[in-house]
Amino acid sequence: QQQVKQSPQSLIVQKGGISIINCAYENTAFDYFPWYQQFPGKGPALLIAIRPDVSEKKEGRFTISFNKSAKQFSLHIMDSQPGDSATYFCAARSTGGGNKLTFGTGTQLKVEL
Amino acid sequence: NAGVMQNPRHLVRRRGQEARLRCSPMKGHSHVYWYRQLPEEGLKFMVYLQKENIIDESGMPKERFSAEFPKEGPSILRIQQVVRGDSAAYFCASSQMNSPGQGADSPLHFGNGTRLTVT
Repeated sequence: QQQVKQSPQSLIVQKGGISIINCAYENTAFDYFPWYQQFPGKGPALLIAIRPDVSEKKEGRFTISFNKSAKQFSLHIMDSQPGDSATYFCAARSTGGGNKLTFGTGTQLKVEL
Repeated sequence: NAGVMQNPRHLVRRRGQEARLRCSPMKGHSHVYWYRQLPEEGLKFMVYLQKENIIDESGMPKERFSAEFPKEGPSILRIQQVVRGDSAAYFCASSQMNSPGQGADSPLHFGNGTRLTVT
Protein backbone atom coordinates (compact mmCIF):
# COMPACT_ATOMS: atom_id res chain seq x y z
CA GLN A 1 0.00 0.00 0.00
CA GLN A 2 1.24 3.47 -0.88
CA GLN A 3 -1.13 5.33 1.44
CA VAL A 4 -0.08 7.76 4.14
CA LYS A 5 -2.77 8.56 6.71
CA GLN A 6 -2.68 11.93 8.41
CA SER A 7 -4.61 13.32 11.39
CA PRO A 8 -6.19 15.53 12.52
CA GLN A 9 -7.74 17.19 9.49
CA SER A 10 -7.77 20.51 11.30
CA LEU A 11 -6.26 21.85 14.49
CA ILE A 12 -6.67 25.01 16.54
CA VAL A 13 -3.94 25.85 19.03
CA GLN A 14 -3.40 28.84 21.29
CA LYS A 15 -0.35 31.00 20.77
CA GLY A 16 2.56 29.50 22.66
CA GLY A 17 1.04 26.02 22.70
CA ILE A 18 2.26 22.80 21.11
CA SER A 19 0.81 21.65 17.79
CA ILE A 20 0.95 17.93 17.12
CA ILE A 21 0.17 16.29 13.78
CA ASN A 22 0.32 12.55 13.27
CA CYS A 23 0.92 10.31 10.28
CA ALA A 24 0.93 6.56 9.75
CA TYR A 25 2.03 4.43 6.84
CA GLU A 26 1.94 0.81 5.69
CA ASN A 27 4.66 0.52 3.08
CA THR A 28 7.90 -0.66 4.67
CA ALA A 29 9.80 0.42 1.55
CA PHE A 30 9.42 4.08 2.54
CA ASP A 31 12.85 5.45 3.40
CA TYR A 32 12.40 9.20 3.77
CA PHE A 33 9.69 11.18 5.52
CA PRO A 34 9.43 14.94 4.90
CA TRP A 35 6.94 17.44 6.21
CA TYR A 36 5.77 20.30 4.02
CA GLN A 37 4.13 23.58 4.96
CA GLN A 38 1.73 25.26 2.55
CA PHE A 39 0.24 28.75 2.75
CA PRO A 40 -2.85 29.69 0.71
CA GLY A 41 -2.01 30.31 -2.92
CA LYS A 42 1.52 28.97 -2.55
CA GLY A 43 3.28 25.72 -3.23
CA PRO A 44 4.35 23.36 -0.46
CA ALA A 45 7.67 24.21 1.16
CA LEU A 46 9.89 21.65 2.85
CA LEU A 47 9.89 22.13 6.61
CA ILE A 48 11.83 19.22 8.04
CA ALA A 49 12.53 15.60 7.10
CA ILE A 50 13.68 12.39 8.76
CA ARG A 51 15.01 8.96 7.81
CA PRO A 52 13.80 5.79 9.57
CA ASP A 53 17.15 5.12 11.23
CA VAL A 54 16.59 8.16 13.48
CA SER A 55 13.88 8.39 16.13
CA GLU A 56 13.80 12.15 16.45
CA LYS A 57 14.95 15.22 14.57
CA LYS A 58 14.70 18.78 15.78
CA GLU A 59 15.10 22.01 13.86
CA GLY A 60 14.27 25.12 15.82
CA ARG A 61 10.68 24.88 17.04
CA PHE A 62 9.91 21.90 14.78
CA THR A 63 10.49 18.29 15.81
CA ILE A 64 9.75 15.03 14.02
CA SER A 65 9.26 11.96 16.17
CA PHE A 66 9.54 8.65 14.34
CA ASN A 67 8.39 5.22 15.53
CA LYS A 68 9.59 2.64 13.02
CA SER A 69 7.97 -0.38 14.69
CA ALA A 70 4.58 1.34 14.80
CA LYS A 71 5.06 2.87 11.34
CA GLN A 72 4.09 6.26 12.68
CA PHE A 73 5.66 9.67 12.68
CA SER A 74 4.57 13.02 13.99
CA LEU A 75 5.35 16.71 13.74
CA HIS A 76 5.53 18.81 16.89
CA ILE A 77 5.52 22.59 16.68
CA MET A 78 6.65 24.10 19.95
CA ASP A 79 5.67 27.62 21.03
CA SER A 80 3.19 27.82 18.13
CA GLN A 81 2.80 31.27 16.57
CA PRO A 82 0.06 32.83 14.44
CA GLY A 83 2.53 32.83 11.54
CA ASP A 84 2.56 29.02 11.74
CA SER A 85 -1.08 28.98 10.61
CA ALA A 86 -0.93 26.96 7.40
CA THR A 87 -1.66 23.52 6.00
CA TYR A 88 0.87 20.85 6.88
CA PHE A 89 1.45 17.71 4.84
CA CYS A 90 3.40 14.64 5.81
CA ALA A 91 4.87 12.59 3.00
CA ALA A 92 6.88 9.46 2.37
CA ARG A 93 9.18 8.28 -0.36
CA SER A 94 9.90 4.72 -1.49
CA THR A 95 13.35 3.34 -1.99
CA GLY A 96 14.14 3.37 -5.68
CA GLY A 97 11.21 5.63 -6.50
CA GLY A 98 13.27 8.65 -7.33
CA ASN A 99 11.93 11.61 -5.41
CA LYS A 100 8.31 10.55 -5.89
CA LEU A 101 6.40 11.42 -2.71
CA THR A 102 3.17 10.00 -1.34
CA PHE A 103 1.39 12.72 0.63
CA GLY A 104 -1.01 12.67 3.52
CA THR A 105 -4.27 14.57 3.17
CA GLY A 106 -3.06 17.58 5.13
CA THR A 107 -3.80 19.30 8.43
CA GLN A 108 -5.06 22.87 8.56
CA LEU A 109 -3.45 24.50 11.56
CA LYS A 110 -4.75 27.72 13.04
CA VAL A 111 -2.85 29.37 15.85
CA GLU A 112 -4.98 31.83 17.78
CA LEU A 113 -3.81 34.77 19.85
CA ASN B 1 18.22 32.20 -7.14
CA ALA B 2 14.97 31.62 -8.93
CA GLY B 3 12.87 28.83 -7.57
CA VAL B 4 10.61 26.55 -9.56
CA MET B 5 8.65 28.75 -11.95
CA GLN B 6 5.20 27.80 -13.12
CA ASN B 7 2.96 29.61 -15.53
CA PRO B 8 0.32 30.61 -15.89
CA ARG B 9 -0.71 31.02 -12.24
CA HIS B 10 -4.37 30.82 -13.20
CA LEU B 11 -5.88 29.25 -16.26
CA VAL B 12 -9.53 29.14 -17.25
CA ARG B 13 -10.66 26.79 -19.98
CA ARG B 14 -14.05 25.77 -21.31
CA ARG B 15 -14.91 22.11 -21.51
CA GLY B 16 -13.29 20.51 -24.54
CA GLN B 17 -10.42 22.96 -24.81
CA GLU B 18 -6.77 22.18 -24.24
CA ALA B 19 -4.75 23.28 -21.22
CA ARG B 20 -0.97 23.70 -21.29
CA LEU B 21 0.87 24.15 -18.03
CA ARG B 22 4.54 25.10 -17.98
CA CYS B 23 7.25 24.48 -15.44
CA SER B 24 10.84 25.68 -15.35
CA PRO B 25 12.82 23.79 -12.69
CA MET B 26 15.30 25.35 -10.36
CA LYS B 27 18.68 26.07 -11.88
CA GLY B 28 20.77 22.93 -11.92
CA HIS B 29 17.80 20.62 -11.45
CA SER B 30 17.19 18.02 -14.12
CA HIS B 31 14.36 16.06 -12.50
CA VAL B 32 10.78 17.30 -12.68
CA TYR B 33 7.67 15.98 -10.96
CA TRP B 34 4.04 16.97 -11.52
CA TYR B 35 1.41 16.74 -8.79
CA ARG B 36 -2.30 17.52 -8.73
CA GLN B 37 -4.10 18.94 -5.71
CA LEU B 38 -7.85 18.85 -5.44
CA PRO B 39 -9.61 21.11 -2.91
CA GLU B 40 -9.24 19.85 0.67
CA GLU B 41 -6.99 17.02 -0.47
CA GLY B 42 -3.32 16.23 -0.47
CA LEU B 43 -1.08 16.23 -3.48
CA LYS B 44 -1.31 13.29 -5.85
CA PHE B 45 1.72 12.26 -7.90
CA MET B 46 1.18 12.34 -11.64
CA VAL B 47 4.47 11.99 -13.51
CA TYR B 48 8.24 12.11 -13.09
CA LEU B 49 10.48 13.25 -15.94
CA GLN B 50 14.10 13.82 -16.68
CA LYS B 51 15.30 15.67 -19.72
CA GLU B 52 13.68 14.06 -22.77
CA ASN B 53 12.56 11.03 -20.76
CA ILE B 54 9.46 10.00 -18.84
CA ILE B 55 10.65 7.98 -15.86
CA ASP B 56 7.39 7.24 -14.05
CA GLU B 57 3.90 8.12 -15.29
CA SER B 58 2.01 5.80 -12.98
CA GLY B 59 -0.14 8.65 -11.64
CA MET B 60 -1.18 10.05 -15.00
CA PRO B 61 -4.67 9.38 -16.34
CA LYS B 62 -4.36 7.15 -19.38
CA GLU B 63 -6.26 9.47 -21.65
CA ARG B 64 -6.08 13.19 -22.42
CA PHE B 65 -3.02 13.85 -20.22
CA SER B 66 0.56 14.00 -21.42
CA ALA B 67 3.82 15.47 -20.20
CA GLU B 68 7.18 16.29 -21.68
CA PHE B 69 10.47 17.77 -20.60
CA PRO B 70 12.43 18.64 -23.73
CA LYS B 71 16.16 19.14 -23.96
CA GLU B 72 15.60 22.87 -24.18
CA GLY B 73 12.79 24.75 -22.50
CA PRO B 74 10.31 24.09 -19.73
CA SER B 75 8.43 20.95 -18.85
CA ILE B 76 4.89 20.94 -20.21
CA LEU B 77 1.82 19.23 -18.77
CA ARG B 78 -0.85 19.04 -21.43
CA ILE B 79 -4.50 18.24 -20.85
CA GLN B 80 -6.60 17.73 -23.95
CA GLN B 81 -10.38 18.09 -24.07
CA VAL B 82 -10.61 19.30 -20.48
CA VAL B 83 -13.58 18.36 -18.31
CA ARG B 84 -14.83 19.97 -15.10
CA GLY B 85 -13.19 17.22 -13.05
CA ASP B 86 -9.79 18.46 -14.24
CA SER B 87 -10.26 21.65 -12.21
CA ALA B 88 -7.47 21.58 -9.64
CA ALA B 89 -4.16 23.08 -8.68
CA TYR B 90 -1.26 21.54 -10.57
CA PHE B 91 2.14 21.74 -8.94
CA CYS B 92 5.51 21.13 -10.43
CA ALA B 93 8.52 20.21 -8.33
CA SER B 94 12.15 19.72 -9.17
CA SER B 95 15.17 18.13 -7.57
CA GLN B 96 18.85 17.86 -8.29
CA MET B 97 19.06 14.09 -8.36
CA ASN B 98 16.57 11.25 -8.44
CA SER B 99 17.43 9.93 -5.00
CA PRO B 100 19.78 11.01 -2.30
CA GLY B 101 23.28 9.76 -2.15
CA GLN B 102 24.82 8.42 0.98
CA GLY B 103 24.46 11.02 3.70
CA ALA B 104 22.85 13.59 1.41
CA ASP B 105 19.31 14.49 0.52
CA SER B 106 18.04 16.28 -2.54
CA PRO B 107 14.58 17.44 -1.51
CA LEU B 108 11.76 18.37 -3.80
CA HIS B 109 11.23 22.08 -4.35
CA PHE B 110 7.75 23.07 -5.44
CA GLY B 111 6.51 25.91 -7.57
CA ASN B 112 3.45 27.97 -6.64
CA GLY B 113 1.23 25.99 -8.95
CA THR B 114 -1.20 26.60 -11.78
CA ARG B 115 -4.83 26.78 -10.77
CA LEU B 116 -6.91 25.36 -13.59
CA THR B 117 -10.61 26.11 -13.72
CA VAL B 118 -12.76 24.37 -16.29
CA THR B 119 -16.08 26.07 -16.97
